[in-house]
Amino acid sequence: KNEVEQSPQNLTAQEGEFITINCSYSVGISALHWLQQHPGGGIVSLFMLSSGKKKHGRLIATINIQEKHSSLHITASHPRDSAVYICAVGIGGGADGLTFGKGTHLIIQP
Amino acid sequence: KAGVTQTPRYLIKTRGQQVTLSCSPISGHRSVSWYQQTPGQGLQFLFEYFSETQRNKGNFPGRFSGRQFSNSRSEMNVSTLELGDSALYLCASSLLAGTETQYFGPGTRLLVL
Repeated sequence: KNEVEQSPQNLTAQEGEFITINCSYSVGISALHWLQQHPGGGIVSLFMLSSGKKKHGRLIATINIQEKHSSLHITASHPRDSAVYICAVGIGGGADGLTFGKGTHLIIQP
Repeated sequence: KAGVTQTPRYLIKTRGQQVTLSCSPISGHRSVSWYQQTPGQGLQFLFEYFSETQRNKGNFPGRFSGRQFSNSRSEMNVSTLELGDSALYLCASSLLAGTETQYFGPGTRLLVL
């Protein structure tokens, strides 16, 4: 069974700061997902990656397969980035569904 | 294109009752996954359906079941409700099965009294 650890659990930063959220997992995976959840429950899939790096606007996700580690970066953070960010991993073909981290609660203060 | 829809959005039940939740995926998506989210356990995988077949199931008791119809709409059922079943139930759809990008619905918030 894959264990997914996220850090930090909580993060408060000032608007404009560079944000990094980390995710580590214990066994080999086929894909890693970064999700964003706003108050009220809605979840948005930000990235799905199996190697390298992806960028979308101010968001960047990287993964190191050998080290079993991924990072989510937010550049020029803004109060609207305040949300819970969740890392999830899937094993080959999704045989066991997704395993989720506990999430990182991010607050960006103006 | 319409997103994933879930009905009902809120539900209050009492212990021992059963409940059925519905999920309509994005048009053209054939895979539907269900998740339970609680403050204590976070997000947990319940099951995944693809082309009307349960493809895999998470570590939940047999009281939790589901099905998928030919139009890809899915339902999940929880029988003999327990207080601990109070949670946000989310479904997500994707084009294919496995670890494809998933599109989440707004969730059904279930309260068991």
